[in-house]
Amino acid sequence: EAQVTQNPRYLITVTGKKLTVTCSQNMNHEYMSWYRQDPGLGLRQIYYSMNVEVTDKGDVPEGYKVSRKEKRNFPLILESPSPNQTSLYFCASRQIGNTDTQYFGPGTRLTVL
Amino acid sequence: EDKVVQSPLSLVVHEGDTVTLNCSYEVTNFRSLLWYKQEKKAPTFLFMLTSSGIEKKSGRLSSILDKKELSSILNITATQTGDSAIYLCAGNSGYALNFGKGTSLLVTP
Repeated sequence: EAQVTQNPRYLITVTGKKLTVTCSQNMNHEYMSWYRQDPGLGLRQIYYSMNVEVTDKGDVPEGYKVSRKEKRNFPLILESPSPNQTSLYFCASRQIGNTDTQYFGPGTRLTVL
Repeated sequence: EDKVVQSPLSLVVHEGDTVTLNCSYEVTNFRSLLWYKQEKKAPTFLFMLTSSGIEKKSGRLSSILDKKELSSILNITATQTGDSAIYLCAGNSGYALNFGKGTSLLVTP
């Protein structure tokens, strides 16, 4: 089954404790991205990757890091989480081209105390 | 800077009503416009529109793109309570999907 998986689905942590949210897709998609979703602000892109070892900032990259060492994985790293990073995070992937429907992971709800 | 604006932001209707959701876009190197439905979880894909004037239809939902007006509409006829959700549109520039803030639709019995 074609899917994007994220882990963990829920996470409560404290300020400053490094964390990683994993994302994996099994569709051999070139393009992967991370979004955060906040009430009233919609979906905002954090980082995206056009292919292995190619990453770029989205609209709200501050406080986040990503890596793309393999095509299927695109982890999101928060080196020193802060309360303003409490949000709902979505990973997404798609093939680049005219039939480029984007598939979303199930979401990770992160709370930083 | 690319921009996608949806209207209205929020809508409450009665079951059986027809609704029209709007999306306008300013996207560099525009390739397509996508509509998603989001209930209490991840957005799920509804439509992708690339050509102006060609309606896409799925059951009671339909959508059309107007490239001259840089806009799209999503119609839902004979609404049901299960249509209650946030509806998102996104403009695709090839490099990124730029999402609007969504329209929150509530269908009351």
